[in-house]
Amino acid sequence: GAGVSQSPSNKVTEKGKDVELRCDPISGHTALYWYRQSLGQGLEFLIYFQGNSAPDKSGLPSDRFSAERTGGSVSTLTIQRTQQEDSAVYLCASSLDRVDQPQHFGDGTRLSIL
Amino acid sequence: EDQVTQSPEALRLQEGESSSLNCSYTVSGLRGLFWYRQDPGKGPEFLFTLYSAGEEKEKERLKATLTKKESFLHITAPKPEDSATYLCAVWGSGYALNFGKGTSLLVTP
Repeated sequence: GAGVSQSPSNKVTEKGKDVELRCDPISGHTALYWYRQSLGQGLEFLIYFQGNSAPDKSGLPSDRFSAERTGGSVSTLTIQRTQQEDSAVYLCASSLDRVDQPQHFGDGTRLSIL
Repeated sequence: EDQVTQSPEALRLQEGESSSLNCSYTVSGLRGLFWYRQDPGKGPEFLFTLYSAGEEKEKERLKATLTKKESFLHITAPKPEDSATYLCAVWGSGYALNFGKGTSLLVTP
């Protein structure tokens, strides 16, 4: 079956612009995660959605970052007024339900801020 | 705060030369330890979950083991296609995994 799909695969934008990154999880997966992977760093947790529960936003680095998940499926991560330090690969993962279920990752969006 | 340290950062092996990757962790109440493989330009691919000390899991040339302080990923007779970055992650508190920085493995023919 289809895996986690992310779009766009690459995004280049100017500092100060807003960007939207999209994630289509595996059908039937109720848990969805966003991570950020910077060069030489480990994956950094950003936000977690589980079903209809309020999301865990504890990993969002600033109020310029926000995310939503519509209809329990597709998720969008929005970064407002982008800064150069936002350049990274943004990865989305989904799992059946609980955190201990294997997370299946998309191939990410590589974001470059000029 | 949960901490995960992987070593070595990079490892170069000859084809057939077995070795181990280390993942040391500090977590208050381990609820799961995960190993992933990541190829360049791709997202991490799930390998194993370990839940308690003494547990072992195997898949082809890979074997993961867990103690109360660390986990090892043993690679037996590796092949060039095993070249990748191997990531370790722990689930302690909260809802997310805490990842290490990974070990970059290169297996040469």
